Amino acid sequence: AQSVTQLDSHVSVSEGTPVLLRCNYSSSYSPSLFWYVQHPNKGLQLLLKYTSAATLVKGINGFEAEFKKSETSFHLTKPSAHMSDAAEYFCVVSDQTGANNLFFGTGTRLTVIP
Amino acid sequence: EPEVTQTPSHQVTQMGQEVILRCVPISNHLYFYWYRQILGQKVEFLVSFYNNEISEKSEIFDDQFSVERPDGSNFTLKIRSTKLEDSAMYFCASRQTSHETQYFGPGTRLLVL
Repeated sequence: AQSVTQLDSHVSVSEGTPVLLRCNYSSSYSPSLFWYVQHPNKGLQLLLKYTSAATLVKGINGFEAEFKKSETSFHLTKPSAHMSDAAEYFCVVSDQTGANNLFFGTGTRLTVIP
Repeated sequence: EPEVTQTPSHQVTQMGQEVILRCVPISNHLYFYWYRQILGQKVEFLVSFYNNEISEKSEIFDDQFSVERPDGSNFTLKIRSTKLEDSAMYFCASRQTSHETQYFGPGTRLLVL
């Protein structure tokens, strides 16, 4: 079975400081992992994905995530937060069936303080 | 850039009424999905659809739910007799192949009174 755990329900950072959103996964297989972002009243936008290629994955808007098998983690980072980064972030794992359904974490709400 | 679209953006209905949520997936995509997000909770998988049939469904997707691809472009989710607890944001997603990224629509916010 696949699942992800997002360790923080809410993270607050000052503008210009680093962002770290934590995610641990559980999977019976070599997982495909994703980070999606949801801005208020908007749909889900893919930030980045890991599919067993490079362990450090770069996404849009300066975000990146590192797949660490030994720690079963896929934390999302950004060197310098921007006000527009304020949103809900979801860590997601894909199952390995043909349909590749997605299983979402509970989300982390990122607040950026000016 | 092609995108998944959903209509309506908001729908209010009375308990017991039928609702149909509509989605237009990206045109060359073959795999289709519905997810829902109850307010304050995580996004949950409902159903996946491929080759004109359901591939997989979750426990949430009971007999009150059905999906259909009535023509070459639309993908619909029908709730036969809505309950209060069906109030949620419903997201449609589509994917070209089995290993590509799922692209999500903007969602339909359903409120059951």
